Amino acid sequence: DGGITQSPKYLFRKEGQNVTLSCEQNLNHDAMYWYRQDPGQGLRLIYYSQIVNDFQKGDIAEGYSVSREKKESFPLTVTSAQKNPTAFYLCASRFEGDVSPLHFGNGTRLTVT
Amino acid sequence: GDSVTQMEGPVTLSEEAFLTINCTYTATGYPSLFWYVQYPGEGLQLLLKATKADDKGSNKGFEATYRKETTSFHLEKGSVQVSDSAVYFCALRGAKTSYDKVIFGPGTSLSVIP
Repeated sequence: DGGITQSPKYLFRKEGQNVTLSCEQNLNHDAMYWYRQDPGQGLRLIYYSQIVNDFQKGDIAEGYSVSREKKESFPLTVTSAQKNPTAFYLCASRFEGDVSPLHFGNGTRLTVT
Repeated sequence: GDSVTQMEGPVTLSEEAFLTINCTYTATGYPSLFWYVQYPGEGLQLLLKATKADDKGSNKGFEATYRKETTSFHLEKGSVQVSDSAVYFCALRGAKTSYDKVIFGPGTSLSVIP
C-alpha cells in the first residue's frame, strides 16, 4: 500500500545534539512538507519542497534544516540551534494541483532533555 | 494574511448527540477548504473538502458547507459515535498564496462518551 513512513515514532536526544527525522513516501507525490505540532497551536510549517533539489522555508524554519535529494525522501534535521525542539513532527506530501489534499505520516515525537 | 479560526474545545458529547464544530476563515479570493481528523498518536487524515462557494463536502456522516457570505466551513454530524473521538482541524489553501501552503486552525478535541 502507498503511504508516508516516518521513523522512528519516538526519539530521545540530549540537548546540544543534532537529530535527523526520516520521511519516506511511495505515493509519487511531488511536494513534501514538514510540520510541527504543539498542544493548542495547531500545525506550523517548518519547510516544504515542491521538486527534487529545491526547498523553501516555512513559518518556523529557524533551527531546522532539510534536504530533497530524492523525490521519495525529505529528511528533517533538528539542530542544536532550535531552542524548543521537543514536539510532535509531522511529514506530509501531495500532488501538485489546487485541490489535492495533504497526506500525512504518523509522526515522530521528539523529546530533548 | 490568510488565517483559520475554530472553536478550540475540548468538546464532550454523549453518543448519538449532534455535533457542530465552528470554523471561520480569512482569505483573499476563493480558497479551498478542508477538514482533517487526527486520532490519538497518529497523523492527520483528510475528512472532507470543498473547493468553491456553496459546495458541500461529506464523508462518514460528516458534512460541511462552504459559505462565502459568512466565510465559514462548519463541521456537522447528526449522530456521533465513540469512535469519532479525535482532534478535528479546519484548514485552507489560499487561492493566491505565493507558494503551496496549507493553513491550519488550532484543532478541536472531541470526546464522545457512551
